[in-house]
Amino acid sequence: DAEITQSPRHKITETGRQVTLACHQTWNHNNMFWYRQDLGHGLRLIHYSYGVQDTNKGEVSDGYSVSRSNTEDLPLTLESAASSQTSVYFCASSGSGSSTDTQYFGPGTRLTVL
Amino acid sequence: GDSVTQMEGPVTLSEEAFLTINCTYTATGYPSLFWYVQYPGEGLQLLLKATKADDKGSNKGFEATYRKETTSFHLEKGSVQVSDSAVYFCALRSRDTGRRALTFGSGTRLQVQP
Repeated sequence: DAEITQSPRHKITETGRQVTLACHQTWNHNNMFWYRQDLGHGLRLIHYSYGVQDTNKGEVSDGYSVSRSNTEDLPLTLESAASSQTSVYFCASSGSGSSTDTQYFGPGTRLTVL
Repeated sequence: GDSVTQMEGPVTLSEEAFLTINCTYTATGYPSLFWYVQYPGEGLQLLLKATKADDKGSNKGFEATYRKETTSFHLEKGSVQVSDSAVYFCALRSRDTGRRALTFGSGTRLQVQP
């Protein structure tokens, strides 16, 4: 069965360190997204990609970057982790055309920045 | 810009009670509307969706009707079970702008007691 996975599931890091969160999907979807989930804010869009070599900033992109070198993966990098980036991060993907509406989510990565 | 407002939780109900979670939205044109559910420790799953006015989305006993005149998409279930305890997110995708990412509400936690 197709799936979307994230790793690690839990991460503790220190302020100033670079951190990369992995996202891998086997749906062969063109569209991939990174959201962060914070209490009282729901999910907010960090970055998104509509295909290989395509990346775009979302509403809360400061301090984050992504790259898309293949269809399956969209890693999220925190260049210099800050305590404000402590959150739960979700990766999602969706298909094209009429399948664009349905997004499939990974299980999430809980990141703590000390 | 697009926005989704949903009732704050937690909502605590007894088993077999009637559930309503309110959701209203602001968007350009005709968005697609969604309810996602997040069970403890998991990612989000699509519960139901509607893509045009007066459409009713339904799944697992849950229903929501796309009301353009009131810009609402309230979630209802006639008889909740303990297994329905989760966080529920209302979301939209604004198709007119070509945007493929979702805009989420802040989430409503439902607790169902036996």
